[in-house]
Amino acid sequence: SQTIHQWPATLVQPVGSPLSLECTVEGTSNPNLYWYRQAAGRGLQLLFYSVGIGQISSEVPQNLSASRPQDRQFILSSKKLLLSDSGFYLCAWERQGLNEKLFFGSGTQLSVL
Amino acid sequence: LAKTTQPISMDSYEGQEVNITCSHNNIATNDYITWYQQFPSQGPRFIIQGYKTKVTNEVASLFIPADRKSSTLSLPRVSLSDTAVYYCLVGDMDTGRRALTFGSGTRLQVQP
Repeated sequence: SQTIHQWPATLVQPVGSPLSLECTVEGTSNPNLYWYRQAAGRGLQLLFYSVGIGQISSEVPQNLSASRPQDRQFILSSKKLLLSDSGFYLCAWERQGLNEKLFFGSGTQLSVL
Repeated sequence: LAKTTQPISMDSYEGQEVNITCSHNNIATNDYITWYQQFPSQGPRFIIQGYKTKVTNEVASLFIPADRKSSTLSLPRVSLSDTAVYYCLVGDMDTGRRALTFGSGTRLQVQP
């Protein structure tokens, strides 16, 4: 069966510090991968998606970046965090093909202070 | 991709049927409709998916009219554990266009 791992579960970082969140998927190959962010009490904002190694599409221009160094690994990074980067970060994957559904990780609660 | 509009919130009582409607007026021929459920501090979870007419599974039904400009998620006999946020997502079947953007969702509160 397929599983998605996302860590850490919670993170408290000072403004201006770097960020690295990692997501890995097991039990499948060549998945589509996604990073979403959710502010408190709000909906899901798509940040990045990837349909293959090294292929990153950015949906929101900001100080975040994403990389996919391996087939089932997706990394979200920032060189300098802003207060507005606080939120609940979710990684998701889907099987490539028609009419597929998203499977989400357990999320990282990031607080930038 | 088609933009979706849902009611911000809904209230219901245990045992009632709940219908949540999503509007997607500019849905394209290649788009399909998927509904997700999200509990606090968790990632969304797939509920049901359809392209047209009616789809039913063990937890919900999805009604899609012929023009496909809206869809209705039906939850039969809700319980307190159905209190959650429900999202409608319209996605392109084109495997190269994967900007899957969620709307604001509907917060369902089920009362005893």
